[in-house]
Amino acid sequence: GNSVTQMEGPVTLSEEAFLTINCTYTATGYPSLFWYVQYPGEGLQLLLKATKADDKGSNKGFEATYRKETTSFHLEKGSVQVSDSAVYFCALRIAGNQFYFGTGTSLTVIP
Amino acid sequence: EPEVTQTPSHQVTQMGQEVILRCVPISNHLYFYWYRQILGQKVEFLVSFYNNEISEKSEIFDDQFSVERPDGSNFTLKIRSTKLEDSAMYFCASSGRLAGGKETQYFGPGTRLLVL
Repeated sequence: GNSVTQMEGPVTLSEEAFLTINCTYTATGYPSLFWYVQYPGEGLQLLLKATKADDKGSNKGFEATYRKETTSFHLEKGSVQVSDSAVYFCALRIAGNQFYFGTGTSLTVIP
Repeated sequence: EPEVTQTPSHQVTQMGQEVILRCVPISNHLYFYWYRQILGQKVEFLVSFYNNEISEKSEIFDDQFSVERPDGSNFTLKIRSTKLEDSAMYFCASSGRLAGGKETQYFGPGTRLLVL
């Protein structure tokens, strides 16, 4: 079946620290991969995506590379800010419109 | 920037009661979705809707659930007789068109439903 496994949280980092949130997936076929972010009180917002192997998605200093050999799509940022505090969801999508989400990883960045 | 909106933000109901969750998708979008997230668990797909009919649904979406687009702007999820296990955050989403799986879905802020 299709599923996403995400690093357990919560994660607490100091400002300017390096961030990695691990995400691995199981999929039948060739999925597109996504990271969504949910800021407090808001909906899920697309952060970045990659639609085929070796693609790198990037946005707002965040990056993730679609690794087919390790079935992974880890989220990274070189220097986090307080404003990055949010819940991050890894997701995949096979043909059709259904998304499969991970459980979400809560990130808190302290000054 | 256009956004998906949902009402109410929170709803408390008694077990066995009917609830209707409302969503206003982005105005030129054609595909509409409902997801739910039980506290501490994954976001789960419920249903997708296109051209006034359900296009996909998960095993969660049983006969207790229904969706409707009653007019040109609203998209609703109805739970006929709520159960305790229906307590969750319900997210609505919309997208413009299918494009080989590359289309972005835009999510609303969610409705937190609590069934007592």
